[in-house]
Amino acid sequence: KAGVTQTPRYLIKTRGQQVTLSCSPISGHRSVSWYQQTPGQGLQFLFEYFSETQRNKGNFPGRFSGRQFSNSRSEMNVSTLELGDSALYLCASSLGGQGIPEAFFGQGTRLTVV
Amino acid sequence: AQSVTQLDSHVSVSEGTPVLLRCNYSSSYSPSLFWYVQHPNKGLQLLLKYTSAATLVKGINGFEAEFKKSETSFHLTKPSAHMSDAAEYFCVVSDLYNQGGKLIFGQGTELSVKP
Repeated sequence: KAGVTQTPRYLIKTRGQQVTLSCSPISGHRSVSWYQQTPGQGLQFLFEYFSETQRNKGNFPGRFSGRQFSNSRSEMNVSTLELGDSALYLCASSLGGQGIPEAFFGQGTRLTVV
Repeated sequence: AQSVTQLDSHVSVSEGTPVLLRCNYSSSYSPSLFWYVQHPNKGLQLLLKYTSAATLVKGINGFEAEFKKSETSFHLTKPSAHMSDAAEYFCVVSDLYNQGGKLIFGQGTELSVKP
């Protein structure tokens, strides 16, 4: 069974640009969550999508947005990039139904804003 | 509100000696607790999870953790460290029934293993 796939693995963008990151969850998983990892703030929850609906959202500005498609693949978009957006962005997939599902993480996308 | 505190930012042990990584949690609900490991330039791998079935939880690679409600702790242990255990470890709490899949991470403990 293929794991969680995130593309691209590395990105370099300029301040003010926008960026789109992609996440393909494990087959059969309907929940996709996004996290930002930085040395100063650690791992912070961005948002979660389940069956194409945003089910939960963290405390990030509106520049951060996401969506989920009918095949459960998810994209995250950051507009008007700032230097502080440089981070490792991790995607996690889980079944998302009843019970306590395990979250499986991708290898992440390393975004550098210059 | 839920939160997790990892009591040590860095732990150093010698190969073959026991490992103890400490974690305290705060949760208004019956929590689900996890330990994840992250090797350099890698994603997060689930080591083990607690979901109220048993207080002593066994995970992969010889790790285990004990849930102690009276102490609000979920410490991670391993009897004998291996060089390949060197990594960053995260204690995670979640109330998946009410938080829609949101995981709350501790700040991480970096484990170093000396030969």
